[in-house]
Amino acid sequence: DIQMTQFPSTLSASVGDRVTITCRASQSISSWLAWFQQKPGKAPNLLIYKASNLESGVPSRFSGSGSGTEFTLTISSLQPDDFATYYCQQYSSYWTFGQGTKVEIK
Amino acid sequence: EVQLVESGGGLVQPGGSLRLSCAASGFTFSRYSMNWVRQAPGKGLEWVSYIIGSSTSIYYADSVKGRFTISRDNAKKSLYLQMNSLRDEDTAVYYCAITPEDNSGRCFAYWGQGTLVTVSS
Repeated sequence: DIQMTQFPSTLSASVGDRVTITCRASQSISSWLAWFQQKPGKAPNLLIYKASNLESGVPSRFSGSGSGTEFTLTISSLQPDDFATYYCQQYSSYWTFGQGTKVEIK
Repeated sequence: EVQLVESGGGLVQPGGSLRLSCAASGFTFSRYSMNWVRQAPGKGLEWVSYIIGSSTSIYYADSVKGRFTISRDNAKKSLYLQMNSLRDEDTAVYYCAITPEDNSGRCFAYWGQGTLVTVSS
């Protein structure tokens, strides 16, 4: 089974900060990685697919990069609506989520 | 507009059964593979099961294999999850999530709002 390790688990940041979340796969997954945003009491929302493709309707301040085993999600300038929990997910072999990163207000 | 509406959740005793449904609208149902994903209270996301549009390919997470059965009815535009031999650790919000079968790679592009399953005596 492919394991996904996501870090940090919690991140404190201010509006306007540049934020980076890292996700590491236990084996190569090529670019079969997605990023989701989840707010309390709501379903997850797809942000990025195939590692670097921005889902339609998602603000351009979100970007994804990486391939193989190391991936990053970057928010270029954190906005109030971005305080949420973020999950990576591999879909190279079945589907596995990372543990999540909670982005909190500093 | 894509809509996914889960139902069927509730309180059930350990060892009991429950059948979840996910009613779909706003897209060509048979052209999407479908998944169940769950989230225990205060925890992360866990993929549970997958079914391709034609129902010819089905997968389960090890944690539910042999106890849960996924199915779909393309005519009714509905997805199902039959859950048997339920355990305390199956307590979670269960989401249906869909992936278009168009090689776009847009995995789990749409999600329902979830239905809560509580397993407790």
